[in-house]
Amino acid sequence: EVQLAQSGAEVKKAGESLKISCKGFGYSFSGYWTAWVRQMPGKGLEWMGVIYSDDSDSRYSLAFQGQVTISADKSINTAYLQWNSLKASDTAIYYCTRQRTTWKSPYYYFQYMDVWGKGTTVTVSS
Amino acid sequence: QSALTQPASVSGSPGQSITISCTGTSSDIGGYNYVSWYQQEPGKAPKLMIFEVNNRPSGVSNRFSGSKSGNVASLTISGLQAEDEADYYCSAYTSSTSGVLFGGGTKLTVL
Repeated sequence: EVQLAQSGAEVKKAGESLKISCKGFGYSFSGYWTAWVRQMPGKGLEWMGVIYSDDSDSRYSLAFQGQVTISADKSINTAYLQWNSLKASDTAIYYCTRQRTTWKSPYYYFQYMDVWGKGTTVTVSS
Repeated sequence: QSALTQPASVSGSPGQSITISCTGTSSDIGGYNYVSWYQQEPGKAPKLMIFEVNNRPSGVSNRFSGSKSGNVASLTISGLQAEDEADYYCSAYTSSTSGVLFGGGTKLTVL
C-alpha cells in the first residue's frame, strides 16, 4: 500500500530546534517530489515547499523561505522538515504529501498531491 | 502571495447539488489546468478528490466533479449525503512563484 508515515507529535519551547520526518512506503520514493503543508490551529492549508529526494532539489514558498529547511535521505526513503529556532507561531499540524509533478522545459509544474501522511502536531510554548 | 478565494461556507440538503467556487488569477487557475480539490474531515488529513480540473482519482465517487472557466474553478457535489460534510480546499499551481496555492477552505454543511 502506498503511504507516508510521519513522526510523532512534538512539544517544544520557543528557541529550540526540531526535525520531523516522513517515510514513504509502497512506491519509488526517490522518483517523486515530497511536499510539506502547514495547517495552523483552526486554519487552512499552506504549501510550504517541496523536495525531490533523488537529488535533493528543493523549492520553497516565499512565506517559508529561510524559516524552515526541507531535506531528504533517499537511502531510507525519508524526507524531513527542520527548524533551527522555533517560535510559538510554528504551532501547527504539518503534513507531508506526494507531490505529483510534470516537467515541461524549462520548468517543473506541481500538479496535485495524491498521497498524504496523517500529520505531525507540533506545539511550541513561549 | 495571496491565497485563492473560496466562500467560507456552503450548505445543502441531502440529495441536492452544491457548487464551491475558487477564484484565482491568470497566473494560476486561468493559466494552467493544474487545479485540484481536497476534502478534509475533522481531525483527519486532507484527501484528493479532483485533480487537473476535472479528473477523479480511483475510489472517489462520481458525485464529485470539477470544472474551470477563466480564472474560476468549481467543485460540484451532486446527490449530497451526510458523509460529504467536511472542509473543502482548492489548490493550483502558480507561475508567480513556481509553487502551489491553496484556497482558504469552504465548510460544507449538510442540513
